Amino acid sequence: NAGVTQTPKFRILKIGQSMTLQCTQDMNHNYMYWYRQDPGMGLKLIYYSVGAGITDKGEVPNGYNVSRSTTEDFPLRLELAAPSQTSVYFCASRIDTEAFFGQGTRLTVV
Amino acid sequence: DQQVKQNSPSLSVQEGRISILNCDYTNSMFDYFLWYKKYPAEGPTFLISISSIKDKNEDGRFTVFLNKSAKHLSLHIVPSQPGDSAVYFCAASYGAGSYQLTFGKGTKLSVIP
Repeated sequence: NAGVTQTPKFRILKIGQSMTLQCTQDMNHNYMYWYRQDPGMGLKLIYYSVGAGITDKGEVPNGYNVSRSTTEDFPLRLELAAPSQTSVYFCASRIDTEAFFGQGTRLTVV
Repeated sequence: DQQVKQNSPSLSVQEGRISILNCDYTNSMFDYFLWYKKYPAEGPTFLISISSIKDKNEDGRFTVFLNKSAKHLSLHIVPSQPGDSAVYFCAASYGAGSYQLTFGKGTKLSVIP
C-alpha cells in the first residue's frame, strides 16, 4: 500500500517557468489537499478537493491551480513561478479524522 | 492572525523523562484537535487526536489533554525516547469530518540519550 505519492521530490525552477507537482493516492480517499510549508512556519492550505471534479481554494491559493479528474490524482500547477513560491509542498488525503501526507516536494524558484 | 499557536519553537528533554508540548488556539469553533509528528525529509504522520467532548485521550506513551476553557491542549510523551526527536505540529478543525486542518508552526523536540 503506497499511500500518498508525490513527484518530484526536488525541483529548481527559474522565475516565470511553469510546472506541475504530481500527487496520487491509492486509499480511495475523497478528501485531498495541497499544503505548503515555509521555513519555521506551519502548513498552509493552498487548495483542497472533496471528491473528483470538485476543488476549492484554501488559505493561500494565489499563483496555483489544481484539478481533480479522478479520485486518485490531485496535481498542483504553478503557471508563472515566483521566488515567493519557494517552499516545501505536501499533498495529503483524508478520510474521517486522519490525514495522510506524502513525503513532500522541495521547490526552489531562482 | 494565527488561530493555532505553538509558542515554543524547540524543546530538549532527557531520555526517559516526560516531554510536554503545548498548543493554544483562539477560535472557539474548533472542536477537533490532532497532533502530527514530522521527521526531516518526510511528510507529517498522524499521532493522536482528541474531540472537544473529551479532556484526555491516551495512546501508549502519548496522551493529549484538552482544556477548553483555556483554549489549550498539550501532548505528553512518557517516557521520551530518542526516536521521538522530531517536529510536532498541533492542528485543529471544525469537527472530525471537516475539510480543513489549521496547523501551528510546530515544536522541534530533541530527546537527549
